[in-house]
Amino acid sequence: DTAVSQTPKYLVTQMGNDKSIKCEQNLGHDTMYWYKQDSKKFLKIMFSYNNKELIINETVPNRFSPKSPDKAHLNLHINSLELGDSAVYFCASSPSEVNTEAFFGQGTRLTVV
Amino acid sequence: AQTVTQSQPEMSVQEAETVTLSCTYDTSESDYYLFWYKQPPSRQMILVIRQEAYKQQNATENRFSVNFQKAAKSFSLKISDSQLGDAAMYFCALKTSYDKVIFGPGTSLSVIP
Repeated sequence: DTAVSQTPKYLVTQMGNDKSIKCEQNLGHDTMYWYKQDSKKFLKIMFSYNNKELIINETVPNRFSPKSPDKAHLNLHINSLELGDSAVYFCASSPSEVNTEAFFGQGTRLTVV
Repeated sequence: AQTVTQSQPEMSVQEAETVTLSCTYDTSESDYYLFWYKQPPSRQMILVIRQEAYKQQNATENRFSVNFQKAAKSFSLKISDSQLGDAAMYFCALKTSYDKVIFGPGTSLSVIP
């Protein structure tokens, strides 16, 4: 069973479109994250949720809106996609906000054309 | 602010040899965790090893071990008996209480047969 799963794995879309990436974890973790990995492989936190509540919101355009319907799910919706949004987006989870490692999904490669 | 630095963008090692990847970090916290993640071409992020800052003993996982120098804020990863499957991007990461996991820029490791 996949611990942290994201769908879709690949997403190709045109500029200006709206798209969503879904994430689910079956580990019973309280905390979930979205990370963006750019073309140089640099990983940067976007959002962090703990028990459905937003706790970290880095400087991310407000075209990006996370939604956590329950603590096992954290979806990412992106409006008005731009070329610069092309990247790999990783969902991750950890047991709590405190000092524990993050478990990652397999990533979603988003390509905006 | 927390930072993680990896000064070696690329490294290579002969199969069966030993290689050490460097990482330095900065934090004002006294309680934190350090991690090494591996990202193979499949792009899955895999936890290799973790180290609790309060533990003086260096963590070891099979062929992987760390050299944790708390005063110097250094956290290097040693891979012994390198195998072809070790070829990947390696990320050093830091997590402090109630904060996100921060990643270094990564080191691309090649294993030469």
